[in-house]
Amino acid sequence: NAGVMQNPRHLVRRRGQEARLRCSPMKGHSHVYWYRQLPEEGLKFMVYLQKENIIDESGMPKERFSAEFPKEGPSILRIQQVVRGDSAAYFCASSPPLAGGPEETQYFGPGTRLLVL
Amino acid sequence: QKEVEQDPGPLSVPEGAIVSLNCTYSNSAFQYFMWYRQYSRKGPELLMYTYSSGNKEDGRFTAQVDKSSKYISLFIRDSQPSDSATYLCAPGWDSGGYNKLIFGAGTRLAVHP
Repeated sequence: NAGVMQNPRHLVRRRGQEARLRCSPMKGHSHVYWYRQLPEEGLKFMVYLQKENIIDESGMPKERFSAEFPKEGPSILRIQQVVRGDSAAYFCASSPPLAGGPEETQYFGPGTRLLVL
Repeated sequence: QKEVEQDPGPLSVPEGAIVSLNCTYSNSAFQYFMWYRQYSRKGPELLMYTYSSGNKEDGRFTAQVDKSSKYISLFIRDSQPSDSATYLCAPGWDSGGYNKLIFGAGTRLAVHP
């Protein structure tokens, strides 16, 4: 049973380019969370999605960032016109379709490390 | 004031030591308290969680919550070099059908042989 998969693992972009980060949840999971981790800082919640729906995007920057989780395929976190401050590790986590609570454990992927030159 | 405060360390201990990792929080709405372990260049993995004040034990790990003082602790007994990692506390709540976690900055632990 494969875990949460993220690709690419490392991504280098120049300022102004677009970054696309992909997350495939664990088998049977239909909920995806995206987090950003800056050096020496904790994980910051960005967005929570279910299939074809954005449920909570309270942590997403208002501009340049978007996320989707289509009916088929992985969840995508898209950053347009990247700036140096976007350099960070981006993690996604998936959870099963149960009611909220710690039993609906978030399983994390290995992360994508984005470097903006 | 951050919602969750955690001393970043690093904390260096000899093998076999008892380790105490701590967090404080400010939001009384937190319903449960998670601890994650993150090895270098890896994603976090859940260690354990607890709902209520008191202790919860799992092998060499004990999670402790004091809701009255808003204080969370993780104790590791007989620490091993393989315990060297960053430990993240993450209190959370049920936000209408999904869990919302607020992560501390993490404490980096090094256990040396």
